[in-house]
Amino acid sequence: GAGVSQSPSNKVTEKGKDVELRCDPISGHTALYWYRQSLGQGLEFLIYFQGNSAPDKSGLPSDRFSAERTGGSVSTLTIQRTQQEDSAVYLCASSLGWGKETQYFGPGTRLLVL
Amino acid sequence: QKEVEQNSGPLSVPEGAIASLNCTYSDRGSQSFFWYRQYSGKSPELIMSIYSNGDKEDGRFTAQLNKASQYVSLLIRDSQPSDSATYLCAVNSGSGNTGKLIFGQGTTLQVKP
Repeated sequence: GAGVSQSPSNKVTEKGKDVELRCDPISGHTALYWYRQSLGQGLEFLIYFQGNSAPDKSGLPSDRFSAERTGGSVSTLTIQRTQQEDSAVYLCASSLGWGKETQYFGPGTRLLVL
Repeated sequence: QKEVEQNSGPLSVPEGAIASLNCTYSDRGSQSFFWYRQYSGKSPELIMSIYSNGDKEDGRFTAQLNKASQYVSLLIRDSQPSDSATYLCAVNSGSGNTGKLIFGQGTTLQVKP
């Protein structure tokens, strides 16, 4: 079946602009996760959703970052007033449930802030 | 101290040898442990998951977990050049078993023909 999809695959923006990143999880997966991977670094947890609610937003780096999920499916990560340090690959993952469930990753969105 | 630690490598092994990748974690409450493989420019893909102490084998891969020592490892037998990648250890954040994964920095494996 279809895996996790993300769009756009690449995004180049100017410092100070807002960007929206989209994630479409595997059908039937109730949990959705956002991670960030900077060049040569490991994955950094940002936020996760169980259904439409986000019990853990502890990883969001600043109040410029926000995320929402509607209909228990698609999620959008929004970065306002982008900064150069926001440049990274933003990865979305989904799992059937939460807790022990295996997370399956999408291809990522490569964001470059000039 | 980092929550999940891995030797960044690179770990270089000849084709056909056993590659041993190690990971330590700090949260004693963690219950789920994963190994992901990430090729350059690609997203992580799951190799193994392990939840109980001991060994778990899947083909050429064996994951080993020792919760008392807070240690998890991945052995790759008969290493192939196609195994060359970065291997990420991920540990479930123990608080409430939320599914939040803490990743190590990854170990780069090079398998030389």
